[in-house]
Amino acid sequence: EIVMTQTPLSLSVTPGQPASISCKSSQSLLHGDGQTYLCWYLQRAGQPPQLLIHGASNRFSGVPDRFSGSGSGTDFTLKISRVEAEDVGVYYCMQCIQLPYTFGQGTKLEIK
Amino acid sequence: QVQLQESGPGLVKPSQTLSLTCTVSGGSISSGDYYWSWIRQPAGKGLEWIGRIYTSGNTDYNPSLKSRVTMSLDTSKNQFSLKVTSVTAADTAVYYCARDVGSSTLKFDYWGQGALVTVSS
Repeated sequence: EIVMTQTPLSLSVTPGQPASISCKSSQSLLHGDGQTYLCWYLQRAGQPPQLLIHGASNRFSGVPDRFSGSGSGTDFTLKISRVEAEDVGVYYCMQCIQLPYTFGQGTKLEIK
Repeated sequence: QVQLQESGPGLVKPSQTLSLTCTVSGGSISSGDYYWSWIRQPAGKGLEWIGRIYTSGNTDYNPSLKSRVTMSLDTSKNQFSLKVTSVTAADTAVYYCARDVGSSTLKFDYWGQGALVTVSS
């Protein structure tokens, strides 16, 4: 199965400052159809995860534009341009190019 | 707006069978290019994909659980279900159901709120 590795596992950010999370996959997530099968989720405390980004860089409906995803192949990044208090939670990347779908370990974002 | 809701016993004895149902509203589980998935999360830990069932009833399971997992559809009730046999304490987790758009990078756009299942005697 594809192993997903996130760094850092935790970060503390001052409101208004940027944040960046890295996700690396053990195999390329670029499909023969030209699409990249990488998603990002945010899980707030006591809530189910919510989809932020799909296809490595496509914001899901209703997701603020301060969230952006980038990367290709095996290296991906989630960036928050200006962190807000509501961004607190655990961020997960997930590959969906190959079964079983697998998630990264999660990155906990807290506010300073 | 699609909504999903898990239901089932919150306590299961070791060696018995865990059974959960996900009720879908706002859309039919038997139409469209959708898979209906189960994902679990032990307390304080990460997410594990358990498996999925297509609108046709075809299934895919995580090899780590494949021998113990069965998923099914009940189109008359717009529900899909999960059974995990021979449970142990390691199966204690919050179980989520979620929708997976088939031919797309869009995965798990809708989730249930989760159902906590504890395996204990």
